[in-house]
Amino acid sequence: DQQVKQNSPSLSVQEGRISILNCDYTNSMFDYFLWYKKYPAEGPTFLISISSIKDKNEDGRFTVFLNKSAKHLSLHIVPSQPGDSAVYFCAARRAAGTASKLTFGTGTRLQVTL
Amino acid sequence: NAGVTQTPKFRVLKTGQSMTLLCAQDMNHEYMYWYRQDPGMGLRLIHYSVGEGTTAKGEVPDGYNVSRLKKQNFLLGLESAAPSQTSVYFCASSLREKLFFGSGTQLSVL
Repeated sequence: DQQVKQNSPSLSVQEGRISILNCDYTNSMFDYFLWYKKYPAEGPTFLISISSIKDKNEDGRFTVFLNKSAKHLSLHIVPSQPGDSAVYFCAARRAAGTASKLTFGTGTRLQVTL
Repeated sequence: NAGVTQTPKFRVLKTGQSMTLLCAQDMNHEYMYWYRQDPGMGLRLIHYSVGEGTTAKGEVPDGYNVSRLKKQNFLLGLESAAPSQTSVYFCASSLREKLFFGSGTQLSVL
C-alpha cells in the first residue's frame, strides 16, 4: 500500500523554465511533508518542508504547496538550473511518537536541459 | 564536517553470509534510522532508534537486526543474507523532522 505516491517517474525541463514535481498521499494522519533531493551515489539531502497547518512554504527558488483537501503537494523550482538535475523524493511524517519516521514516495527524476 | 558516515560503501556477499553495516553520526542526534532503497520502491524504513540502547521495527524489519550501544553509532546486521536483501542501504539521523542521510552502502547478495 503506497501511502505516498509520485506518479511521474521522470520530468524534463528546459533551463530557466519552471519545474513542477507532484506528490499525492492517502494517509490523513500525515502532519509534516518534506522534499529530498538525491544525486547518484549520494544520500538524499533535505530540500524544503511544510507543516500540514500551512499551504505554502518558500525558500529561494523552491516553493512547496500543500492542498490538504486533495491530499496533494507539489514542489516548484523557478528558474530551473542544470544543477537541479537529480531524483526528488517526497516524504511524509505521521503525527505519532517522537521519532520522525518518514514514508517516502518512489521519486521523480528531473532532468534540466540547456 | 562529517555528518552521517556509513561503512562500507560497497559489499558483495554470498547467500547465507553475515555482515554488519556501521553508521556513525557526529551531530549528537537522538534518533537514528536505517532505510533501504530499491528501484520503483522509494526508501523503506527497516529499523530505527529513539536513543542509546533502544531500537524499534520499521516497515521492513525481517532478516535484519540492529543495535545502538552508543548514541553516535547505529549498526545494521544481516545474519544470513538473501538475494532479496540486495539493495542500497541508507542510514540517517535526526533531531526532529528533518533527517540527515549518509551516502549509502551498495550491497549485493549473490
